[in-house]
Amino acid sequence: AAGVIQSPRHLIKEKRETATLKCYPIPRHDTVYWYQQGPGQDPQFLISFYEKMQSDKGSIPDRFSAQQFSDYHSELNMSSLELGDSALYFCASSRGGGAGNSPLHFGNGTRLTVT
Amino acid sequence: DAKTTQPNSMESNEEEPVHLPCNHSTISGTDYIHWYRQLPSQGPEYVIHGLTSNVNNRMASLAIAEDRKSSTLILHRATLRDAAVYYCILRSNSGGSNYKLTFGKGTLLTVNP
Repeated sequence: AAGVIQSPRHLIKEKRETATLKCYPIPRHDTVYWYQQGPGQDPQFLISFYEKMQSDKGSIPDRFSAQQFSDYHSELNMSSLELGDSALYFCASSRGGGAGNSPLHFGNGTRLTVT
Repeated sequence: DAKTTQPNSMESNEEEPVHLPCNHSTISGTDYIHWYRQLPSQGPEYVIHGLTSNVNNRMASLAIAEDRKSSTLILHRATLRDAAVYYCILRSNSGGSNYKLTFGKGTLLTVNP
């Protein structure tokens, strides 16, 4: 079965550079979530989109922005990168606006390293 | 967000059943109980979820207390591949911003050969 696809798998950037992470949800899933997981930490919610509109916002820095496109894929744009942004970034998708009865399906993440 | 409490770690032997407990005394009537697990260097993986009744699927069983203030994830025969961090998460069905999953401190399950 098709899963959530994230690209790239690994990304190395320098401080103050920008990065774009991409997420392709499972077909017919209309909701996308972004999570950040630092070393030894639990995943932290950043932002979510339902039907191309932002549906919820968590601890996402102002330097980050995201959007969901007409084909439901999503991109997380990160600017003025800092060393502390080094983390695993996960995307997840679900169906039906993310109602409590609908499980999230996660991708395998993008590992961002900022040097 | 309603909180859950899980043991930091548990240990099991291969081929034996594992019962992972979760307390959620402040659960509301619209909260679903979700379980996810995360293997090293992988994204979280959905395991099972339920509302009031016990649930079974190919991965596990979920036993929910009658008052819904606690639940137990049951792995019937642990394998080495089940070694992971297991997260018990309450997920509201009441709409809007409550749909996100909020990860707390899960249980690190170690499976001994």
